[in-house]
Formats: sequence, structure tokens, C-alpha cells
Amino acid sequence: DTGVSQDPRHKITKRGQNVTFRCDPISEHNRLYWYRQTLGQGPEFLTYFQNEAQLEKSRLLSDRFSAERPKGSFSTLEIQRTEQGDSAMYLCASSFRDQNQPQHFGDGTRLSIL
Amino acid sequence: GENVEQHPSTLSVQEGDSAVIKCTYSDSASNYFPWYKQELGKRPQLIIDIRSNVGEKKDQRIAVTLNKTAKHFSLHITETQPEDSAVYFCVARMDSSYKLIFGSGTRLLVRP
Repeated sequence: DTGVSQDPRHKITKRGQNVTFRCDPISEHNRLYWYRQTLGQGPEFLTYFQNEAQLEKSRLLSDRFSAERPKGSFSTLEIQRTEQGDSAMYLCASSFRDQNQPQHFGDGTRLSIL
Repeated sequence: GENVEQHPSTLSVQEGDSAVIKCTYSDSASNYFPWYKQELGKRPQLIIDIRSNVGEKKDQRIAVTLNKTAKHFSLHITETQPEDSAVYFCVARMDSSYKLIFGSGTRLLVRP
């Protein structure tokens, strides 16, 4: 399968703990995106990268959230000092640089905060 | 900021009937409008998209229309089948940004 891959699929943790998610985009896709989806809602944009550069961040991305894409390939999203409100599905997507190219999503990481 | 409103939130149709989902967007700078289908527990999948220089696009049983003046766009599914049952999201994106702005989704149920 050459689609967007995310790991882990599920994460359960206690409030206050740090968590890190990984996303492997489709090979040769320059752009990588992170979205958050809560139950019954559409995905909300968090941030995106072009190669290793983080070009846009949503106001939803508080200082407890940090994303990296150090070599322009896979990306990690870290949440520090998790809170109940962080419980959601975290989706990753990737696309070619050309703006006419669509974004392809992974299956997501479902985070549950106890 | 950009906002996308979608309705209805739920839609139940008999197999073989048509389904229509309507959306409005707020930012006139939006120029790309994809539609995603999300089955329970699965990833959103692109089913069709339309750009601002086109008023209508069709792909087999699926068609999208765009009215830029009114800032409306809609999805039409004809001859619905049970496997069309899913949540459908309309999306808008501005030319100046790559972020997708999703509507709140329409849960479509096709009754056999």
C-alpha cells in the first residue's frame, strides 16, 4: 500500500502525559498536512509543511503542540501535557506541490485522554 | 476567516433515488472545492472536485455544481446504492493557502 501511513492507529493516555504521532506521506509528495477531527465534525486544519519547512499554522495549534518534518519525508506531531479536550482523531494528508493536486488522507491516529 | 456551511446534516433516501447536498462558503477568494466521502472509521477519500473556472463537473453517478456569484456549491448523487452510505464533506480552499476548510458533514443513509 503506497498511501499515507499513520502510526499508531490508537493511543490512550492519561491527562498530563506527552504523546507523539507519526505520519509517512505518499512517496514524492512535497506537502504534508495535519488535521484534527472531533466526533461528528469535519476535519480542522492544524498545520502544513512544504518539504521540511512549516509554512502555515492554525490558531488551534497551541504552544503544547509541535510538528516537525526534519528531512522532508515523514512528520511527527507531539502534544505535551495532554488535556481532555485533545481527544480527537488526528489526520495526516499529503499532496504534490502543484496546487491542482488533491490532498490524500491517512487513516488517522485516534487519541483518547483518560 | 473562511467558513463552510453544509446541509442537511443527515439524509436518508431509498436505493435508486437521488441525493443532493448543498454548501455555502464565505470567502470569495475560494477557488477549489473538493468533496470527500468518509466511511465509519476510515479515512476521508476524495470523490470529486471542481475549480472556480468551471460551473459543473460530472463523474458517472456523481455531479458537482458551483455558483461563484452566490457562493454555493452542491453534490448530486444519482441512482444511489447502499454502498453510497457514508458521511460526505464539502470543502473549500483559497488560492492563497493550501489548507482545506471542511463543512460539518452530511450523513447519507441509502435504504435498500
